[in-house]
Amino acid sequence: GEDVEQSLFLSVREGDSSVINCTYTDSSSTYLYWYKQEPGAGLQLLTYIFSNMDMKQDQRLTVLLNKKDKHLSLRIADTQTGDSAIYFCAESSYNTDKLIFGTGTRLQVFP
Amino acid sequence: EAGVVQSPRYKIIEKKQPVAFWCNPISGHNTLYWYLQNLGQGPELLIRYENEEAVDDSQLPKDRFSAERLKGVDSTLKIQPAELGDSAVYLCASSLGASGVYNEQFFGPGTRLTVL
Repeated sequence: GEDVEQSLFLSVREGDSSVINCTYTDSSSTYLYWYKQEPGAGLQLLTYIFSNMDMKQDQRLTVLLNKKDKHLSLRIADTQTGDSAIYFCAESSYNTDKLIFGTGTRLQVFP
Repeated sequence: EAGVVQSPRYKIIEKKQPVAFWCNPISGHNTLYWYLQNLGQGPELLIRYENEEAVDDSQLPKDRFSAERLKGVDSTLKIQPAELGDSAVYLCASSLGASGVYNEQFFGPGTRLTVL
C-alpha cells in the first residue's frame, strides 16, 4: 500500500536554512503536499507540487521533487522561531482526494 | 470567511461511554473528511463524504464508529462504546468538489479525545 516516511526531528539555528525530507512509495501520486501543524491547531497547507514539476518556490519555501527516487524535500530559508512546528508530507492520487500523510517532522528552531 | 468549525475541542470520557464529534465545513464545500490522528502520527482518513453520500468509508471501524452528514452540510462522528485506544485527535476537513482536479483540503482544529 501507499507509505510516506519522514525523519522525526530536525533542530536548526535561527537564520539558518531547514531542509525536511520525505520519501513515498506510490508511483501514481499526482500531488505532493507540505502541511504545518502548530500545537493545538489543525493542519495548515504550506505548499503543494504537481508530480510533473521538479521544483516550486514560494517566498521562503522551496519544494524539490525527485520523482525517480520518490523523494520530496521542503527547504525553509532564514528559519525563524515561528517556524517551529510539526511538518507533514502528504500525497494524493489523481482519482482520489485521499491524503496519505507521513509521520511528521518536528522542527525546533533555537536562537 | 469562517474556517472549518469543530466541537467540542476537548472531550474526556470513561471507556465504554459513547461520544460524538461535530463538524461544520466551510460554506459551499461539498466534500467533507474525517481523519484520525494518533499521538506522534500523521492523520489517517476515516471517511469521506461527497455531499451527503459516504464515498470512502473503508477505514472506518464500523463496529463502533458511525458517521452521518444529513443535508450534505454538517457532519457528526460517533463512537459507541469508546475504548482506551480511541484516545486521539479527530480532525475534520472540507474541500470544494470532486476528484480529478486539485482540491485543497481545509482542516479544522480537531477534537482531542481522552478515554480513561
